[in-house]
Amino acid sequence: GQSLEQPSEVTAVEGAIVQINCTYQTSGFYGLSWYQQHDGGAPTFLSYNALDGLEETGRFSSFLSRSDSYGYLLLQELQMKDSASYFCAVKGGFQKLVFGTGTRLLVSP
Amino acid sequence: ETGVTQSPTHLIKTRGQQVTLRCSSQSGHNTVSWYQQALGQGPQFIFQYYREEENGRGNFPPRFSGLQFPNYSSELNVNALELDDSALYLCASSTTGTGSGGYTFGSGTRLTVV
Repeated sequence: GQSLEQPSEVTAVEGAIVQINCTYQTSGFYGLSWYQQHDGGAPTFLSYNALDGLEETGRFSSFLSRSDSYGYLLLQELQMKDSASYFCAVKGGFQKLVFGTGTRLLVSP
Repeated sequence: ETGVTQSPTHLIKTRGQQVTLRCSSQSGHNTVSWYQQALGQGPQFIFQYYREEENGRGNFPPRFSGLQFPNYSSELNVNALELDDSALYLCASSTTGTGSGGYTFGSGTRLTVV
């Protein structure tokens, strides 16, 4: 089977740093992606790791350790608009994405 | 780039009916995939189309079917609707061999089955 585990909810204040973890068990692995989804909106691509290590894109960074089947998304200088659901997703065969259950991030003033 | 557009945005159907959802892929994208997202859950892969052929399918019954047209637009058809089919249906487009892992999603169609 395939499964990705994430914390269900994380809370933080504006300006803070937050880390969202993801552990996965999948039959095929071609990379780990992160998507942001606001309520009622489309998932929006944030970051992708095919190899071990850290990828940085502005305020967002993502890390992957394939030997540990683990990754995380790091959000810095949090803003109110970052309040959303965040999904990790493994890219498997046929380019399909297997998504985790999502982490709801609540940013307060 | 116009992004991915889906229609309709909302739909209410009765159990047993059939429904067709539509998607226009982002310009230049030749691969389209469909996902079902139940409330509070992550999207679940339904199937993917490339060059008008289905080339990957998730754990969904045959009453979920699709089409991809030469202009890369796509349809998702669901027959014999069940109450559990109520969900947000997302279309995602990409180019073959998307190395970055980045797929462009539409805003989805919210289907309610009563």
